Amino acid sequence: AQTVTQSQPEMSVQEAETVTLSCTYDTSESDYYLFWYKQPPSRQMILVIRQEAYKQQNATENRFSVNFQKAAKSFSLKISDSQLGDAAMYFCAYRSVISNYQLIWGAGTKLIIKP
Amino acid sequence: DAGVTQSPTHLIKTRGQQVTLRCSPISGHKSVSWYQQVLGQGPQFIFQYYEKEERGRGNFPDRFSARQFPNYSSELNVNALLLGDSALYLCASSLGAGVWNEQFFGPGTRLTVL
Repeated sequence: AQTVTQSQPEMSVQEAETVTLSCTYDTSESDYYLFWYKQPPSRQMILVIRQEAYKQQNATENRFSVNFQKAAKSFSLKISDSQLGDAAMYFCAYRSVISNYQLIWGAGTKLIIKP
Repeated sequence: DAGVTQSPTHLIKTRGQQVTLRCSPISGHKSVSWYQQVLGQGPQFIFQYYEKEERGRGNFPDRFSARQFPNYSSELNVNALLLGDSALYLCASSLGAGVWNEQFFGPGTRLTVL
């Protein structure tokens, strides 16, 4: 069974600085999708960025980028120029191409932005 | 366009009772998934429905059931509530059931079991 691990329960960063959130996963599959979701205090889960395992190029969405290391089964999220609105819980998630109906989630990292 | 909506927002029940949670997907979306998020943890997959048929089920007891209606809205039912069922229940909709389809989440229903 696949698992997702986020080893940082909480991270803090100064506004305008850069922060990296870690995620590792375990799978025997070669094709899958990885996601970072943001859950602000209002609770609505929002997709931040996604990566397809067969694509070697790291995904980028504006200030958000990932470092996808397939061999190491690592999928970190880098947030550049952190803003107060980035404060939230961040979840890493895995979705198999074979059993594609479910997202498997990490425990989350709480990101605090210091003004 | 309206996003995914869920009702009720909050719910308080006692042990042994039954509860029904409702979800309306984004217009045009045919797939609905349900997740349970216990406080301080990541969500856990419960069910996925696509075109009114169950496509997947997570590791939850038979007390949990769901269905999808012709208009693609969905209900999640939980019978014989336990204290451990207290959680935020999230509904997500997507255009299709394929892995490449982005899931859009509703605000959730906070269930408290006393």
